[in-house]
Amino acid sequence: DADVTQTPRNRITKTGKRIMLECSQTKGHDRMYWYRQDPGLGLRLIYYSFDVKDINKGEISDGYSVSRQAQAKFSLSLESAIPNQTALYFCATSDTGSSYNEQFFGPGTRLTVL
Amino acid sequence: DAKTTQPNSMESNEEEPVHLPCNHSTISGTDYIHWYRQLPSQGPEYVIHGLTSNVNNRMASLAIAEDRKSSTLILHRATLRDAAVYYCILRYSGAGSYQLTFGKGTKLSVIP
Repeated sequence: DADVTQTPRNRITKTGKRIMLECSQTKGHDRMYWYRQDPGLGLRLIYYSFDVKDINKGEISDGYSVSRQAQAKFSLSLESAIPNQTALYFCATSDTGSSYNEQFFGPGTRLTVL
Repeated sequence: DAKTTQPNSMESNEEEPVHLPCNHSTISGTDYIHWYRQLPSQGPEYVIHGLTSNVNNRMASLAIAEDRKSSTLILHRATLRDAAVYYCILRYSGAGSYQLTFGKGTKLSVIP
C-alpha cells in the first residue's frame, strides 16, 4: 500500500465551486506539505504544517486554505475555484527527526477548473 | 535564496553512465545539495543529498566540486526506468529548512 495517498486523483470542476483535496499518510511523519505544479515547471509550496496545531503559508497560499485534521491527514481547499488554479497538486510528508529532511510525495491530484 | 542552474534536457543511451550537472554559484556554507527526480505521472522522489563530500547510495552518486559551486549527479548505468525530470535543490540547513524550492529541472531521456 502507498504511504502517502491523495484523493481524488483527478477532478474537473467549474469556476466558483468549492473543492477539497485530501491527503493521508501512514508513515507516521509529523510534517505535511501541499505543492502545486504547473506544466513544464517545478513545484511551488502552498501550505505546510509541522504538527496538528501548526499551519503555515507557503509561497503561493492566496486562494487556498488547509486543515490538519489529524497527524495523518492534511486537506487543501479551494474556496472558490478559478481556471488558473488548474494544476497538478502534490501532498508530501517528512519527519522532523530525520536529518535528511527527505520529503515523500503522494501520486498527485490533477485538478481542472473550467 | 541561492538558485540552481540545470540544462533543460539530456539524452543517454541505455546502460551507459549519465552525468547530470548543476551549477549553484551562490551557494552558502549552510546549504545542502539535494537531488529529487520525478518519473512520468508520479510525485517527486528523493535521490541523494550532500554537503561537501561526495556521496554514494543505491540509486546514484553525487560529486560536489571543491568550491561547492557546482555538483553532478551520476547514474552509473542508465535504465529506461531512469527517464525522468531531475531536480537539483539547495536546502538551507537553518530555520526554514523544511522548504524545497524546485526549479524546472533536467528532463533525462534514455534511449534503448
